[in-house]
Parts: sequence; C-alpha cells; structure tokens
Amino acid sequence: DQQVKQNSPSLSVQEGRISILNCDYTNSMFDYFLWYKKYPAEGPTFLISISSIKDKNEDGRFTVFLNKSAKHLSLHIVPSQPGDSAVYFCAASATGGGADGLTFGKGTHLIIQP
Amino acid sequence: DSGVTQTPKHLITATGQRVTLRCSPRSGDLSVYWYQQSLDQGLQFLIQYYNGEERAKGNILERFSAQQFPDLHSELNLSSLELGDSALYFCASSEGPGWNQPQHFGDGTRLSIL
Repeated sequence: DQQVKQNSPSLSVQEGRISILNCDYTNSMFDYFLWYKKYPAEGPTFLISISSIKDKNEDGRFTVFLNKSAKHLSLHIVPSQPGDSAVYFCAASATGGGADGLTFGKGTHLIIQP
Repeated sequence: DSGVTQTPKHLITATGQRVTLRCSPRSGDLSVYWYQQSLDQGLQFLIQYYNGEERAKGNILERFSAQQFPDLHSELNLSSLELGDSALYFCASSEGPGWNQPQHFGDGTRLSIL
C-alpha cells in the first residue's frame, strides 16, 4: 500500500516557466513533509520541508504548498532552470516516528527544455 | 556535497556471502538512518540509530543488522545474501532523533549479487 504517491512519473517544462510537482498521501498521521532532488549516481539532496501547522513554505525559487484536507502537497519552482532537471521525491513522516520512518514517493522526473 | 560519506560505492558479491556497508554522518549529526532502494520499489526505511542506540526499525530483514559506533559512524551488515538483495543502499544523517527534521543522504552503495 503506497502511502505517498507521485502520480506523474515525468514532467517536461520550458526553461523560465513554472514547474509544479504534485504529491498525495493517505496516512493522516503524517505531519512533516519534505522534497528531495536526485541526480543520477548521487544521493537525494534535501530541498525544502513543511510542517503540518503551515500551509506554505518558501525558499528562494522553491515553494511548497500543503493542503491537509486534500492530503496533497505540491512543489513550485519558479523560474525553472536547466540545472533543475532531476528526479524529485516527495517524503513524509509522522513526528512520533515509528516503523515507517520517512516514507518516500516513487519520484517525478523533471525535464527542463531550453 | 551532503557531508555524509558512504563506502564502498560499488560492491559485487555472490549469493550466500556477507558484506558490510559503512557510513560516516555529517559533522555534528547524531542520528544515522539506512534505506534500501530496489528497482521496483522506492526508498524503503530500514533502521535508525541515535547516539549509538537503535531508535527505530523499519522493514529490515533478520539477515540484516546495523550498529553505530562511539565515533558515530555506522555499519550495515548483510548476510546470507540473496539475488533480491541487489539494490542501492543509502545512509542518511540528521542532528537529533526526531522525524521532524531533514535527513541528509550519502551517495549510496550499489550492491550487486551474482
């Protein structure tokens, strides 16, 4: 049972435009959410996180939005740059931790077109 | 560079053998986490250590064990290896024991079982 779902395996966006990556979760105990970016042959790199007490968090070109009622979060990248081409993972945890630890989606491959 | 170091980068061995993967966390981080990424699965949480003590356990097989040493480096031991154990194994670290903070990942060890 996949508790964190990224339904788009890939996304192509033109350079300079906005990239929007989506993530849905099913476990209502999740209260901390993160986005990671991964290049081939490297480990995931932490981008941005959000606690369930907030609905938005910004860091430079990256903004994460959380809609708790819909169990949905999204990552906005504005403007998109060629170096943003990578696989993006959404992850979630319940603050109390437990057996599931940090639960990851299967990733969305973002391709920035020149 | 996340500051998390994993060795070796690649490991090739045969079924039935035993291997040890090593991880050095970021300076100042007391928690170490191990994850497995197989081709058909996303990142799966295996186990967490905090300041030398086991803190949380995920989907870790009984054939696998881990420990964290006084200098905070960690080792993941995999024994009686099977073909299905072929995967990328990632180590991550964070400052504290809780799940409401980012985890920083190493570049992984790719294990191939022949």
